[in-house]
Amino acid sequence: GAGVSQSPSNKVTEKGKDVELRCDPISGHTALYWYRQRLGQGLEFLIYFQGNSAPDKSGLPSDRFSAERTGESVSTLTIQRTQQEDSAVYLCASSPDSFNEKLFFGSGTQLSVL
Amino acid sequence: AQTVTQSQPEMSVQEAETVTLSCTYDTSESDYYLFWYKQPPSRQMILVIRQEAYKQQNATENRFSVNFQKAAKSFSLKISDSQLGDAAMYFCAYRSARTGGFKTIFGAGTRLFVKA
Repeated sequence: GAGVSQSPSNKVTEKGKDVELRCDPISGHTALYWYRQRLGQGLEFLIYFQGNSAPDKSGLPSDRFSAERTGESVSTLTIQRTQQEDSAVYLCASSPDSFNEKLFFGSGTQLSVL
Repeated sequence: AQTVTQSQPEMSVQEAETVTLSCTYDTSESDYYLFWYKQPPSRQMILVIRQEAYKQQNATENRFSVNFQKAAKSFSLKISDSQLGDAAMYFCAYRSARTGGFKTIFGAGTRLFVKA
């Protein structure tokens, strides 16, 4: 696609439910990043994928968070047993490769946990 | 570990005036990239300007320019002739230039208001 696409745009869920967020990167971009942005705060790194290499999961806050990416295509971020503190905007970004320092962002998913 | 600090939570500027947003960072590395990203209400982060640490010349993109002071680890953004469309959150960011240094680190952001 022309840009990074994320879905859903907004998600409201009840505490304890699982949610799945989707990111479709720019075609041909091998690097993909997930960030979390809490209200009024900066971006917090979650996870990074580069091609078929093992992902860097060092930013995932707990084992309730996981992410997958098949090859150089779509990625899904899954949050199990959601908590109220998970409420945030989840932003996805892609880059032509890990050596390219410019990030191209999607519009994010606003997650609200009630 | 590298950190990025933006000490101004909010700034305000009159339309057509000039405003400067501050950013400081901490790193032990000598080669890296610095960025300013804009986040409008649509939430989509847009790259405004980029600076390579080994270049002494300050980057410029139309009305946007930076004052890069490597020794002071300071990287401020100047917006000239401010427009209503400049109103947004602005994030300063750092990324290492070393192999494997893929993680971009962001500051907490500065919200810019532009008054008509």
